[in-house]
Amino acid sequence: QLQVQESGPGLVKPSETLSLTCTVSGGFISTSTYYWGWIRQPPGKGLEWIGFFYYSGSTNYSPSLKSRVTISVDRSKSQFSLRLSSVTAADTAIYYCARAPDQWGQGTLVTVSS
Amino acid sequence: QTVVTQEPSLTVSPGGTVTLTCASSTGAVTSDYYPNWFQQKPGQAPRALIYSTSIRHSWTPARFSGSLLGGKAALTLSGVQPEDEAEYYCLLYYGGSQGVFGGGTKLTVL
Repeated sequence: QLQVQESGPGLVKPSETLSLTCTVSGGFISTSTYYWGWIRQPPGKGLEWIGFFYYSGSTNYSPSLKSRVTISVDRSKSQFSLRLSSVTAADTAIYYCARAPDQWGQGTLVTVSS
Repeated sequence: QTVVTQEPSLTVSPGGTVTLTCASSTGAVTSDYYPNWFQQKPGQAPRALIYSTSIRHSWTPARFSGSLLGGKAALTLSGVQPEDEAEYYCLLYYGGSQGVFGGGTKLTVL
């Protein structure tokens, strides 16, 4: 059974870069059937699609976040990562990593505050 | 900016049937948008229910069905159970690769 699990700092200062890692177990990132990526959910609000990549390396980002987001992959570690630069309080959210279309992590809360 | 619209809230009686819809600001939703549906209960991560318009995951009960209805993606729950009370989100893919979530529908079973 494939599992994905987020990890990273729970607190980031304004203007700094948020960095999270997703570890994949029980499966392979290189599988061609799936997309992999990140979604977030501000407290008490709805879901926001951040960006996903395909096993071939092509990556798509939300237009509203594109200038600040980078998703990268380390297949040797079965991990992929999210970097979001110049964060503000509006970036406070639960961040989920996922394999589309089926598996989500439990999410990790990241708070942006000084 | 592309907007995906869902009903903010719906109420259904136990055993009843309810249809949630998902509309795109760009026009009619087709299978080319690969509609996905997710269920989220309080304090939990979303759980995938339906992908590519109508395909259920192995864990999705048969009472959940996806379709296209009047230019929208639709999720129909038949024989609603109390445990179906949750927030439901749709996800559409634009250009086959750029995702946009709807604002969610809060389903109350009463």
